[in-house]
Amino acid sequence: EEQLVESGGGLVQPGGSLRLSCAASGFTFSSDWMHWVRQVPGKGLVWVSRSNSDGTRTTYADSVRGRFTISRDNAKSTLYLQMNSLTAEDSAVYYCAREHSTSYNRFDPWGQGTLVTVSS
Amino acid sequence: QSALTQPPSASGSPGQSVTISCTGTSSDINAYDSVSWYQQHPGKAPKLMIYEVSKRPSGVPDRFSGSKSGNTASLTVSGLQAEDEADYYCSSYAGNSNIDVVFGGGTKVTVL
Repeated sequence: EEQLVESGGGLVQPGGSLRLSCAASGFTFSSDWMHWVRQVPGKGLVWVSRSNSDGTRTTYADSVRGRFTISRDNAKSTLYLQMNSLTAEDSAVYYCAREHSTSYNRFDPWGQGTLVTVSS
Repeated sequence: QSALTQPPSASGSPGQSVTISCTGTSSDINAYDSVSWYQQHPGKAPKLMIYEVSKRPSGVPDRFSGSKSGNTASLTVSGLQAEDEADYYCSSYAGNSNIDVVFGGGTKVTVL
């Protein structure tokens, strides 16, 4: 079964940092692009960041560029999101998702999400 | 990149059909056949229902269908069932070097 499991969320003070992890299993992690998508509870999905299959090319939403860094360890089948200079507007559930190598914008599976709360 | 535009809500009785629209621009929906639709139940992760405008992943009922015309994509759920009540999000590849993907704001489908 193809599966993604996020971890690392929690409560952090404004200006603080947090590192999210996404452990993959059931598929060839090193072949696929990976994404982070976030969702404020009760609101819509917002794309955050993308890594190509070997981590050499990354892209970010304007709202996080310069503060967030996406990376991956293909040997561990794990995706990361380093989040720095956090603000209240970054509070959300963060999902990782696999983009199939054969199809643009085909995100499947998704992880269960990890909640990040930025508050003093 | 602006979000895609979806109606906030849609509804239908069991057995009826409901269609959700998703409007984008010439830079996303109209430019690429890479529209996806996701279903999300409360407290759950999104689930892929449609990709590449009209393709269904294995396991998704054929009651779900997708289409596209110009800047607008649509998801139709035929033969509505109680378990179809959920939020639905459209998404399109954007092709911009800085922004990969745009999502719609979501549509809450209610089964009356």
